[in-house]
Amino acid sequence: DAGITQSPRHKVTETGTPVTLRCHQTENHRYMYWYRQDPGHGLRLIHYSYGVKDTDKGEVSDGYSVSRSKTEDFLLTLESATSSQTSVYFCAISPQQYNEQFFGPGTRLTVL
Amino acid sequence: SQQGEEDPQALSIQEGENATMNCSYKTSINNLQWYRQNSGRGLVHLILIRSNEREKHSGRLRVTLDTSKKSSSLLITASRAADTASYFCATDEVDDMRFGAGTRLTVKP
Repeated sequence: DAGITQSPRHKVTETGTPVTLRCHQTENHRYMYWYRQDPGHGLRLIHYSYGVKDTDKGEVSDGYSVSRSKTEDFLLTLESATSSQTSVYFCAISPQQYNEQFFGPGTRLTVL
Repeated sequence: SQQGEEDPQALSIQEGENATMNCSYKTSINNLQWYRQNSGRGLVHLILIRSNEREKHSGRLRVTLDTSKKSSSLLITASRAADTASYFCATDEVDDMRFGAGTRLTVKP
């Protein structure tokens, strides 16, 4: 987990409220990713970034938006949280696309 | 949809035994990676094997890749209780990496 942190680590919120998760890296890696992990599904990519202000959608992007205004920070926003977004969210970084990814410790989000 | 799919879903062995996990995928790939996840933690990269490689070793880990069968296997030799974790394969597609649902390995002391 060295070089990559996520905040908050745990969050409980109510349906309909906005939520922002933060990923911070100190490795100066170009690529940053947001995944969600649910039982039976493994990790599924939500959005990823290949540079400052350069982002693209992943497999399960509906209901999520991202922003990357600095190399070190990648924000994931749930505009209006739903119970189906209850999950564990992982941020990952990588110097190159399709290469080894380094994962953060995860954020457990519960939407009531 | 998942690209890589691991088999078996769960595996329980005694310490000292070997553990073999398999990964199958559907489309052509450039590389395949294996990751380990301890309970409640993020994933940790174990090994990357490129499509032009057939076998790769790292310590007690041995990974094979058969592109004709679209499958890979991860062998952990002389397993230890500390190897208890979930293991995931990940394959590259056009736009991103796709992870399988994982194999849960339990090594009993």
